[in-house]
Amino acid sequence: EVQLLESGGGLVQPGGSLRLSCVASGFTFNIYAMSWVRQAPGKGLEWVSVISGSGGGTYYADSVKGRFTISRDNSKTTIYLQMNSLRAEDTAIYHCAKIFRFAPVDTYYFDYWGQGTLVTVSS
Amino acid sequence: EIVLTQSPATLSLSPGERATLSCRASQSVSSSLAWYQEKPGQPPRLLIYDASNRATGIPARFSGSGSGTDFTLTISSLEPEDFAVYYCQQRSNWPLTFGGGTKVEIK
Repeated sequence: EVQLLESGGGLVQPGGSLRLSCVASGFTFNIYAMSWVRQAPGKGLEWVSVISGSGGGTYYADSVKGRFTISRDNSKTTIYLQMNSLRAEDTAIYHCAKIFRFAPVDTYYFDYWGQGTLVTVSS
Repeated sequence: EIVLTQSPATLSLSPGERATLSCRASQSVSSSLAWYQEKPGQPPRLLIYDASNRATGIPARFSGSGSGTDFTLTISSLEPEDFAVYYCQQRSNWPLTFGGGTKVEIK
């Protein structure tokens, strides 16, 4: 059974930093690209970042580029999101999501999601 | 950035009725579009990928169609558990983008 468990959310002041983690289990982790998707309170879904299975390729939404860094440790089946220079508009639930792979290509659709961790940026 | 516009924002229907949800892209995404279902307190679930392919375990009452800029998610006969918010998502171009969602509510 695929499981994704996020942690690291909390309350942070504007301009501050936070590091999110997502521990994965139930699949061959190093094959799959992984992603972060966020949802502001009462709002829709917003893709944040994606990292390839090897960790060698990363993509970011323009809204976080230069402030957020995605990384992974395949030995720990974990991905991370380092968030710096946080703004009020970064307040959201951050979901870790597994990228659906279709023989043998990364589709960049999301087939499994974690419950998410809440990040609140406020003074 | 490709903008996805979903309509209607809210669909009020009764169980057993047919639901038709629309997603329109600001430029062609070919068939590179997915649909997700989100229920309160749960993460989204992948329903349809590449416009018309059901994901694993998704009931046959869910179907997707379209290509280019216009896409449709159809629920042939609404079950009580289908009342939820539905999102479309494109993977044709970076950045990946989602539509604003359609809420299917009980009439």
